[in-house]
Amino acid sequence: DAGVIQSPRHEVTEMGQEVTLRCKPISGHDYLFWYRQTMMRGLELLIYFNNNVPIDDSGMPEDRFSAKMPNASFSTLKIQPSEPRDSAVYFCASSRSGAGEHEQFFGPGTRLTVL
Amino acid sequence: DQQVKQNSPSLSVQEGRISILNCDYTNSMFDYFLWYKKYPAEGPTFLISISSIKDKNEDGRFTVFLNKSAKHLSLHIVPSQPGDSAVYFCAASPLNTNAGKSTFGDGTTLTVKP
Repeated sequence: DAGVIQSPRHEVTEMGQEVTLRCKPISGHDYLFWYRQTMMRGLELLIYFNNNVPIDDSGMPEDRFSAKMPNASFSTLKIQPSEPRDSAVYFCASSRSGAGEHEQFFGPGTRLTVL
Repeated sequence: DQQVKQNSPSLSVQEGRISILNCDYTNSMFDYFLWYKKYPAEGPTFLISISSIKDKNEDGRFTVFLNKSAKHLSLHIVPSQPGDSAVYFCAASPLNTNAGKSTFGDGTTLTVKP
């Protein structure tokens, strides 16, 4: 199994540009999570999906952030327009539903730098 | 309000000694607790977990203890090895969830010195 795949691994962009982060979850997993990690705020849950449907987006910082999951094998997190304070590592994770299924499998992350 | 707290941002121990990482939670609805380990430039990986019906779970060098009355859990690593140097995240899941949705602490950076 390839694990959770994220792309790109690194992204450097200028303030005001649109940024799109991509994630492929583990096959068979029906939950997908987007996190952001910063020094100041630790690991924050931004949004999560169940069976491609957004369940909780209360962690999305503001309207500049949006996430989609058009099918079970692909999700995107978009920031438009990007700002320097969006610089962080963004992780995607997936998991299975079911009693006792609590473990999340994380991708390697995308390090975003907004200049 | 931070529901899962790891009050020690960092911990340094000597190789061969015990490492104890602590985690406190405030939400009494949490009933499943996990520890994740994270190396630089990688995503967190699952290490060990414990259900609220237990007070201890052991896996090799790693043991997690849960004190429900104190809303406190700890991860013991013994003996500690230099390869254990990483960031450790505590996470908690609420009752009656089929999801992997967890609330994470801010992490503790463990350094094991040779």
